[in-house]
Amino acid sequence: GAGVSQSPRYKVAKRGQDVALRCDPISGHVSLFWYQQALGQGPEFLTYFQNEAQLDKSGLPSDRFFAERPEGSVSTLKIQRTQQEDSAVYLCASSAPGTAYEQYFGPGTRLTVT
Amino acid sequence: AQTVTQSQPEMSVQEAETVTLSCTYDTSESDYYLFWYKQPPSRQMILVIRQEAYKQQNATENRFSVNFQKAAKSFSLKISDSQLGDAAMYFCAPRGGETSGSRLTFGEGTQLTVNP
Repeated sequence: GAGVSQSPRYKVAKRGQDVALRCDPISGHVSLFWYQQALGQGPEFLTYFQNEAQLDKSGLPSDRFFAERPEGSVSTLKIQRTQQEDSAVYLCASSAPGTAYEQYFGPGTRLTVT
Repeated sequence: AQTVTQSQPEMSVQEAETVTLSCTYDTSESDYYLFWYKQPPSRQMILVIRQEAYKQQNATENRFSVNFQKAAKSFSLKISDSQLGDAAMYFCAPRGGETSGSRLTFGEGTQLTVNP
């Protein structure tokens, strides 16, 4: 079946612009995660959904970051008033419920803020 | 909270040889899982192997195996008969239980080069 998809694959934004990054998880996966990966670093956790409920948003770096998953499927990560330090690859992952299940990752969105 | 240390930023191996990537971690959880993921230049994160912390037997997946030392909190990855397609960034990632939101905590990664 289809894997996790993300769009756009690349996004260039001018500092101060708002951006929206989309994630389509694997059908039936109730858990959805967002990670931020800076150049040359490992991914860092941003937020976690179970169905439409955002159970953990402790990794969001500032109140300019907002994530939603209104119908428990597609998720959007929004960044308001982008800053240069927001430049990174944003990875989305989904999994079946339960800690034993692996997370399946999308290809990521590379955000460059100029 | 969980922390992960991958002390080898870069490793290289000759094709068909064996290489071991090291990882140590710290966790306050009693029940957790450990994963190795690979990330080629395409950026697609791919699961290599998984280990349940409650199992004493080391996980094996074809040419990939782990040496899991729970008391030492060590989780190394051994790649046998290395192939050119194994070249990638490798990340060690423990995953906590429901109390930690089931998130993955990634190390800094080890860049593996496979020489023909």
